Amino acid sequence: GQNIDQPTEMTATEGAIVQINCTYQTSGFNGLFWYQQHAGEAPTFLSYNVLDGLEEKGRFSSFLSRSKGYSYLLLKELQMKDSASYLCAVTDSNYQLIWGAGTKLIIKP
Amino acid sequence: IAGITQAPTSQILAAGRRMTLRCTQDMRHNAMYWYRQDLGLGLRLIHYSNTAGTTGKGEVPDGYSVSRANTDDFPLTLASAVPSQTSVYFCASTDRPNTGELFFGEGSRLTVL
Repeated sequence: GQNIDQPTEMTATEGAIVQINCTYQTSGFNGLFWYQQHAGEAPTFLSYNVLDGLEEKGRFSSFLSRSKGYSYLLLKELQMKDSASYLCAVTDSNYQLIWGAGTKLIIKP
Repeated sequence: IAGITQAPTSQILAAGRRMTLRCTQDMRHNAMYWYRQDLGLGLRLIHYSNTAGTTGKGEVPDGYSVSRANTDDFPLTLASAVPSQTSVYFCASTDRPNTGELFFGEGSRLTVL
């Protein structure tokens, strides 16, 4: 079956760096996505990786290793507003999005 | 303001009642989707539409139906609601369905008693 695993919850300190991991097993691969979802709100697109390597976008970076079925989202200079759930999703060979359950990130002062 | 609008934002419904969740987008996106989000589970696709006039079943379609009469509207109907359909429902759209970059509505929280 198709599966995406990410930690349920993580805690980090304001100003620090945190890495949220995602591993996937899907039938085919056409891209990996990270979304941010604040409590009670809609998910919003953060990043897209289709080739191996690091994609940097401001304080957020996303890494992909297709051979390992692995990605991480790196958040630098954490701010209180970064407290949210981070959703990992993969498009399979049929371009269907498979979603992880999300990682709830708690930022402490 | 361009975007995707869902209604109602919240609803409590008696089991056995019929309910339609509305979704409208003004971005002229061809592809639209309905997801449900439950605690501890990833977003699960209920139904989708790649273009006006066509629809398809997702991962969890049972008990739900959709229609796509035009580009802008994609309503989701629960013919006879059951408690297991208590969830948060998100409508989404994209103009690039192969990239996975979706735009989501604010969600509709449905409670079936």
